[in-house]
Amino acid sequence: GAVVSQHPSWVICKSGTSVKIECRSLDFQATTMFWYRQFPKQSLMLMATSNEGSKATYEQGVEKDKFLINHASLTLSTLTVTSAHPEDSSFYICSARRSRGPLQETQYFGPGTRLLVL
Amino acid sequence: AQSVSQHNHHVILSEAASLELGCNYSYGGTVNLFWYVQYPGQHLQLLLKYFSGDPLVKGIKGFEAEFIKSKFSFNLRKPSVQWSDTAEYFCAVTAMIYGGATNKLIFGTGTLLAVQP
Repeated sequence: GAVVSQHPSWVICKSGTSVKIECRSLDFQATTMFWYRQFPKQSLMLMATSNEGSKATYEQGVEKDKFLINHASLTLSTLTVTSAHPEDSSFYICSARRSRGPLQETQYFGPGTRLLVL
Repeated sequence: AQSVSQHNHHVILSEAASLELGCNYSYGGTVNLFWYVQYPGQHLQLLLKYFSGDPLVKGIKGFEAEFIKSKFSFNLRKPSVQWSDTAEYFCAVTAMIYGGATNKLIFGTGTLLAVQP
């Protein structure tokens, strides 16, 4: 299979603190990982595209200094929400795309991380 | 700009009824098309995909979708739904940039399917 894990699955933090979310591809190498945000009853909105060994590409309107993305290896990407505020409370989902092969274009999604900022 | 529209926000069916969920996209070039499903409390799972070839694609759990290029559509179908099909269904598209590079995955707004036993 193609399994993507996220850690933690949920986190509650105080306003002003930073939160790090990990995304791992467990059984395949992923040169590209994606970070999405999903609001209640809405679709997934792409935040940024993360390529291994290079800087992430952020979507319009996403603050790169607030949502720090690191993709240091072919199996791990991290999203750090810096100085979190209540409006950052959301469901954050990562996905990973295989680095090669006929399924290269298929993204495999993690289970998501629910963030609640008090 | 590239976009994906799903016309049905909510669909309620009885078990054994037939299902068709609409999906239209706006992009004039080569596309890859996907349907993802999100069961309650679970993560997104790939239901089926179309890259090329036969425009009628069969996926898991008895689902199929037909790519109609002239209509820019990729509707999802199932002849007989079950209670366990209750979930949210997302249509998604990636567009092939000329030269072989790939674009990002654009999601539709989702359709919530409720199947009554």
